[in-house]
Amino acid sequence: QVQLVQSGAEVKKPGASVKVSCKASGYSFTNYFIHWVRQAPGQRLEWMGWINAGNGDTKYSQNFQGRVTFTTDTSASTTYMEVSSLRSEDTAVYYCAKGHGTGSYYLPWGQGTLVTVSS
Amino acid sequence: EIVLTQSPGTLSLSPGERATLSCRATQSVSSNFLAWYQQKPGQAPRLLIYGASSRATGIPDRFSGSGSGTDFTLTISRLEPEDFAVYYCQQYGSSPWAFGQGTKVEIK
Repeated sequence: QVQLVQSGAEVKKPGASVKVSCKASGYSFTNYFIHWVRQAPGQRLEWMGWINAGNGDTKYSQNFQGRVTFTTDTSASTTYMEVSSLRSEDTAVYYCAKGHGTGSYYLPWGQGTLVTVSS
Repeated sequence: EIVLTQSPGTLSLSPGERATLSCRATQSVSSNFLAWYQQKPGQAPRLLIYGASSRATGIPDRFSGSGSGTDFTLTISRLEPEDFAVYYCQQYGSSPWAFGQGTKVEIK
């Protein structure tokens, strides 16, 4: 079945970087987009951006522009999200989700990766 | 930028009752590209409805979506015990894609 499996929880210090992976299976990886969404404690879901798994094109939300980078390894059907210059407000669960295009509903979602930023 | 506002914030109902959740957009949602998700504690969101009214595969027919333009509704005709959760709407018609703040459906 179509599935996205994310890497495990991370604890980072302020100013550090974190890289989260999202491995896809059960579908043709390069025919779809991967979107990233984060959910901070008590906050609404927040769209971060997308990557076209076929050609590597990316678009980032203005809220994350310059601090987030998406990459893909098509040989491993895996997408990566890296956030730099972490601050305490970046503590959140980060989700990857499969989308059929730039604007898309999401099906399925990864299980989520908790990133905790604390000194 | 479209902002989505969901109401009510919390809905207290009993199993078997009807739930009506609202999602209002600050601008018209292009092509009614509006989705609804269900999220339970510790889990990722699950797609229920897309295109405002199309049920995702495997979603029971007690879930239905309606609306257009700026006003959308998710209706759960008869609440089952497993339906008590938080529900989010999402617009994917124009960037940046946005989510509502959620409606919690809790057991009365």
